[in-house]
Amino acid sequence: DAGVTQSPTHLIKTRGQQVTLRCSPKSGHDTVSWYQQALGQGPQFIFQYYEEEERQRGNFPDRFSGHQFPNYSSELNVNALLLGDSALYLCASSLGGTGYYGYTFGSGTRLTVV
Amino acid sequence: LAKTTQPISMDSYEGQEVNITCSHNNIATNDYITWYQQFPSQGPRFIIQGYKTKVTNEVASLFIPADRKSSTLSLPRVSLSDTAVYYCLVLGAGSYQLTFGKGTKLSVIP
Repeated sequence: DAGVTQSPTHLIKTRGQQVTLRCSPKSGHDTVSWYQQALGQGPQFIFQYYEEEERQRGNFPDRFSGHQFPNYSSELNVNALLLGDSALYLCASSLGGTGYYGYTFGSGTRLTVV
Repeated sequence: LAKTTQPISMDSYEGQEVNITCSHNNIATNDYITWYQQFPSQGPRFIIQGYKTKVTNEVASLFIPADRKSSTLSLPRVSLSDTAVYYCLVLGAGSYQLTFGKGTKLSVIP
């Protein structure tokens, strides 16, 4: 039973560049959420995608955008990268999105902005 | 969303039972409590959730008193592999986001 798959695992980008991170949800899940985790902090909710639309968004600027495809996979795009965007980006999938049955997280993409 | 407060860190010896208490004074009637575990360089892993009284699964037990203003995660006979950060979260009915605090860093000592 494949869990949540994220790619790439590590990434180094320069300030001002753009980055795209990818996520394949757990089999049977239809909802994808994205989180940002800075070192020593808990994950922070970026947004959730359901039925190919952004359903809820956290306190993140418009530089952060996403997409969900018909096969439920998702991308997170970050434009005009800042040094402060360096973090572990986590994808979580669920069925229906409310989390009642728990979210399944991937191992994340470690983004370093230099 | 109800704010949660839990200890920053705890130490325990192998084989002991560990209890991590979380306070959530402003929990709403329809909210439920959920706990996640996170190892370094991995995403959080769902452990257990409950609404009231006691819930037990193969990994842990969750105790919630009648006023639901706190909850206690109990890990029986911990091993070195239980060293991780444990997050207590309150999830509102119909809410789609998890609000993480800093969690409790549990260190299991041989």
